[in-house]
Amino acid sequence: AQTVTQSQPEMSVQEAETVTLSCTYDTSENNYYLFWYKQPPSRQMILVIRQEAYKQQNATENRFSVNFQKAAKSFSLKISDSQLGDTAMYFCAFANAGNMLTFGGGTRLMVKP
Amino acid sequence: GAVVSQHPSRVICKSGTSVKIECRSLDFQATTMFWYRQFPKQSLMLMATSNEGSKATYEQGVEKDKFLINHASLTLSTLTVTSAHPEDSSFYICSASKQGAVNYGYTFGSGTRLTVV
Repeated sequence: AQTVTQSQPEMSVQEAETVTLSCTYDTSENNYYLFWYKQPPSRQMILVIRQEAYKQQNATENRFSVNFQKAAKSFSLKISDSQLGDTAMYFCAFANAGNMLTFGGGTRLMVKP
Repeated sequence: GAVVSQHPSRVICKSGTSVKIECRSLDFQATTMFWYRQFPKQSLMLMATSNEGSKATYEQGVEKDKFLINHASLTLSTLTVTSAHPEDSSFYICSASKQGAVNYGYTFGSGTRLTVV
């Protein structure tokens, strides 16, 4: 079974600064996908970024980028130029070929003005 | 983009009654539907996976007779909480995917807050 661990229950960052959220996972599979989801106070799950394990290049989406270290089974999320609207719970998630998503415990991010 | 409509968003019911939650994929065919439960300040815990036209697969510890899942069409899945009790109070979220979900991603409903009194 896969496990996903987010070691930072809570983090805060000043507006316009950069913050990195950590995620590690455990799997014996070689082909899989990794995701970061954002859950704002509305509780709607929003996809932030995704990474295919077979791709060495780190995924980027505007202010969001990942540092994917396959050998270390690490998948951190970097948010640049943090904005107040980035305040939310962030969940790291893993999916294998069976398509089932496994979520980490989440990191609550607070962006301070 | 893909949209999943989940209703109701909030429901309060009396202990012992049943509650039905619906999830509809509005602009795509959802081959697979996932149902999650989320307690306050916690992560999403998968309850069951359902494929259109077949019985749902429940995660360990989830009572299939209590949480009835129906996925009769490619656009609609329902979760019925039967004989609800206060401990069933939680936030329930559905997620729909096309075949080969990892290639397309997962679309989440907006969630249902269930309160059993």
